[in-house]
Amino acid sequence: EVQLLESGGGLAQPGGSLRLSCAASGFTVSSYAMSWVRQAPGKGLEWVSSISTSGGSTYYADSVKGRFTISRDSSKNTLYVQMNGLRAEDTAVYYCARRMTARAFDIWGQGTMVTVSS
Amino acid sequence: QSALTQPASVSGSPGQSITISCTGTSSDVGGYNYVSWYQQHPGKAPKLMIYEVTNRPSGFSNRFSGSKSGNTASLTISGLHTEDEADYYCSSYTGSSALLYVFGTGTKVTVL
Repeated sequence: EVQLLESGGGLAQPGGSLRLSCAASGFTVSSYAMSWVRQAPGKGLEWVSSISTSGGSTYYADSVKGRFTISRDSSKNTLYVQMNGLRAEDTAVYYCARRMTARAFDIWGQGTMVTVSS
Repeated sequence: QSALTQPASVSGSPGQSITISCTGTSSDVGGYNYVSWYQQHPGKAPKLMIYEVTNRPSGFSNRFSGSKSGNTASLTISGLHTEDEADYYCSSYTGSSALLYVFGTGTKVTVL
C-alpha cells in the first residue's frame, strides 16, 4: 500500500528547532517530487516547501525561507524538513505529500502537530 | 500572491447538486491547467479529488467534476451524499518559486 507517515512533531520554544520526518512505503521517494503542506489550527492549507524529483531543486514559501530546509534520504526512503528559528505562527499540522506529474498532491500523510510556544 | 478565493460555505440537500467556485488570477488559476481539488473531513488528511482542472483519480466517484473559465475554477458535486459533508480546498500551481502552489481559502459543505 502506498503510504506516508510523518513523525517528529511536538512542542518547541520560539526560536527553537524541530526536524520532521516522513517515511514512505509502497513507492520510492526519490522517484517523485515531494512537498510539505501545513494547516494552522482552524485554518486552511498552506504550501510550505517542495523538493524536485532529482533532488537538485528545492523551493520554499517566503514565510519559511531561510529557516526551513527540505531534504530526503533515499536509503531510508524518507523526506525531512528541518525547521529552525521557529515562530508562534509556525504552529500547525504539517503534512507531507507526494506530487504527481500533474502538479497535484495525490498521497498525503496523516500529519504531525507542531506547537511553538513558551 | 494570496490564497485563492472560495465561498466560506455551501449547502445542499441529499441528491441535489452544488458548485464551489475558486477565484485566482492570471498568475495561477488562469495561467495553468494545474488546478486541483481536495476533500478534507475533520481531523483527517486532505484527499485528492480532481487534478488538472477536470481529471478524477482512478476509482474516484464521477459525482465530482471540475471546470475552469478564465481565472475561476469550479467543483461540482452532483447527487449530494451525507458523506460529502467536509471542507473542500482548491489549489493551483503558480510557477513562482516563492509560492509554488497556492491553496484556496476553503469551503465548508453542509448536507442539510
